Amino acid sequence: DVKVTQSSRYLVKRTGEKVFLECVQDMDHENMFWYRQDPGLGLRLIYFSYDVKMKEKGDIPEGYSVSREKKERFSLILESASTNQTSMYLCASSLNLAGNIQYFGAGTRLSVL
Amino acid sequence: KQEVTQIPAALSVPEGENLVLNCSFTDSAIYNLQWFRQDPGKGLTSLLLIQSSQREQTSGRLNASLDKSSGRSTLYIAASQPGDSATYLCAVPHMYSGGGADGLTFGKGTHLIIQP
Repeated sequence: DVKVTQSSRYLVKRTGEKVFLECVQDMDHENMFWYRQDPGLGLRLIYFSYDVKMKEKGDIPEGYSVSREKKERFSLILESASTNQTSMYLCASSLNLAGNIQYFGAGTRLSVL
Repeated sequence: KQEVTQIPAALSVPEGENLVLNCSFTDSAIYNLQWFRQDPGKGLTSLLLIQSSQREQTSGRLNASLDKSSGRSTLYIAASQPGDSATYLCAVPHMYSGGGADGLTFGKGTHLIIQP
């Protein structure tokens, strides 16, 4: 079974802190994704990566950056956390971009105070 | 820009009923459509993926259909059980002008409660 692991289930941070959300997949998938999920807005794509050191902006990249130094690991970085970044963050991976199932991690619920 | 809509937003039915969840999308140029299940506070579990060339996919008590030309998909759940209670989401890949695709565009989900 594909496993996508997000390092933290819950995080509480202060406004202005630099925050790292980590995601690891064990199936040698090329593609990895970060989404955020908010009530009434659903899931929205923040960033994705189709190869090591490659990254592309999704629909809502402002305030975020990403890092993919190794194929199995994709990090989401909040350079200076703000209260409007309080959300559920979901990482996913897939074998290729269009034709294959995306597998999701359990999510990280981030609260920025 | 692709928009995905799910109706109803919430549904509560007695155990044992058959039910249908609806998903519509505005741009019919899709590679596939995926149905997910999400339990409260958890991540997403993929249930079914229908390729654009397919009309149906089945897994156990679940059957998903796809009508690309009309921009619709349905998820049929037979003989519902309390364990089916969850939020069900449908999603289609983003398509961009170069003809490729990347992340998913999601509907807002149907929150399903099966009463024992």
